[in-house]
Amino acid sequence: GDSVTQMEGPVTLSEEAFLTINCTYTATGYPSLFWYVQYPGEGLQLLLKATKADDKGSNKGFEATYRKETTSFHLEKGSVQVSDSAVYFCALSDNYGQNFVFGPGTRLSVLP
Amino acid sequence: DAGITQSPRHKVTETGTPVTLRCHQTENHRYMYWYRQDPGHGLRLIHYSYGVKDTDKGEVSDGYSVSRSKTEDFLLTLESATSSQTSVYFCAIGPGGGTEQFFGPGTRLTVL
Repeated sequence: GDSVTQMEGPVTLSEEAFLTINCTYTATGYPSLFWYVQYPGEGLQLLLKATKADDKGSNKGFEATYRKETTSFHLEKGSVQVSDSAVYFCALSDNYGQNFVFGPGTRLSVLP
Repeated sequence: DAGITQSPRHKVTETGTPVTLRCHQTENHRYMYWYRQDPGHGLRLIHYSYGVKDTDKGEVSDGYSVSRSKTEDFLLTLESATSSQTSVYFCAIGPGGGTEQFFGPGTRLTVL
């Protein structure tokens, strides 16, 4: 079945450091790919998405490119802030919307 | 943000008692989902609905039932709560078809 693998962390960075969180997937067909962020005590919020190969999703300085050849959707940010401290989830959805698969989440801590 | 609320937000109950959690949306989305989130297990799908009175099981459906009598409401029932059902429960909504899901704020349930 479909699956998502991501580095589990925790990842600890200093403010203004470069961030990469790796995400790879296994899926039949052509899934849509997502990154969600969860702040303490809250639900998941959609951060960005890509629906086809080579699409780049971006939001709030975060970016991720849908790479079909490497089945990857790595999350990057050029300069992290303390307020980016959260858990980040990579996810995929098949085109029917009945199968939404989440990775285990990566906890990011940004130190001032 | 998507209009989605969950009630109650916190609940403490005793083993063997029935519990019902409510998810309410104002977005008129076709799909509604119930997940549980536990340390070390990430997000796991319990049940989902693809229309009024149309529901199906997820990967961890044992001990749970759901009902959807109106587009806007999706109820999750624990017929006889057990300590293993202590968790944070999230409702999500979405239009389906490979598009994103939007999450509610969560319900923290403790079964003593």
